[in-house]
Amino acid sequence: AQSVTQLDSQVPVFEEAPVELRCNYSSSVSVYLFWYVQYPNQGLQLLLKYLSGSTLVESINGFEAEFKKSETSFHLTKPSAHMSDAAEYFCAVSEHTGGFKTIFGAGTRLFVKA
Amino acid sequence: DTEVTQTPKHLVMGMTNKKSLKCEQHMGHRAMYWYKQKAKKPPELMFVYSYEKLSINESVPSRFSPECPNSSLLNLHLHALQPEDSALYLCASSQGSGAFSTDTQYFGPGTRLTVL
Repeated sequence: AQSVTQLDSQVPVFEEAPVELRCNYSSSVSVYLFWYVQYPNQGLQLLLKYLSGSTLVESINGFEAEFKKSETSFHLTKPSAHMSDAAEYFCAVSEHTGGFKTIFGAGTRLFVKA
Repeated sequence: DTEVTQTPKHLVMGMTNKKSLKCEQHMGHRAMYWYKQKAKKPPELMFVYSYEKLSINESVPSRFSPECPNSSLLNLHLHALQPEDSALYLCASSQGSGAFSTDTQYFGPGTRLTVL
């Protein structure tokens, strides 16, 4: 069975400081990996995803994540945080074997301080 | 149009009431999902419909009854709920063709349900 661990429930950073949100997964088969963001009182929005190819994937708003198979990790980073980045971030996995089921991690709340 | 809409935004109901949540998308997606999200927790999958047929039921109690009348609509009928069912109920949709597990899911804003 697959599982997702987000190592930090909360991450506080100062504005313009670098951000790292950590995600590790466990699965007996190959997986696809996703990061979703949830702003207050809203649904989730896809930030980026890794399906195949280059292990470094980027979003349009400056976030990137690197798939490291040997470490079973998919950490999300951004070189400089903005106040508008404050939100809940969920790492998620689905298995290559197909099917509709996506497993979400517990989430990491990113706080950005001025 | 990449929007999933959900109505109502908020719902308060008693344990003997019958109510329904509604979800709509016009992206031509063939897979639709219901999730339950408790405060400070990740979404938990409840049901998945693929091509208007129920594909996944994650052992959800029968007091929750999903319905997919057509490819754009998804309902969740509620009856005899318990206070612990209070949560944010999220609807999502995805392309639903080919390799489903690569699909991006598009989420609605959710219905915040309170059961008294």
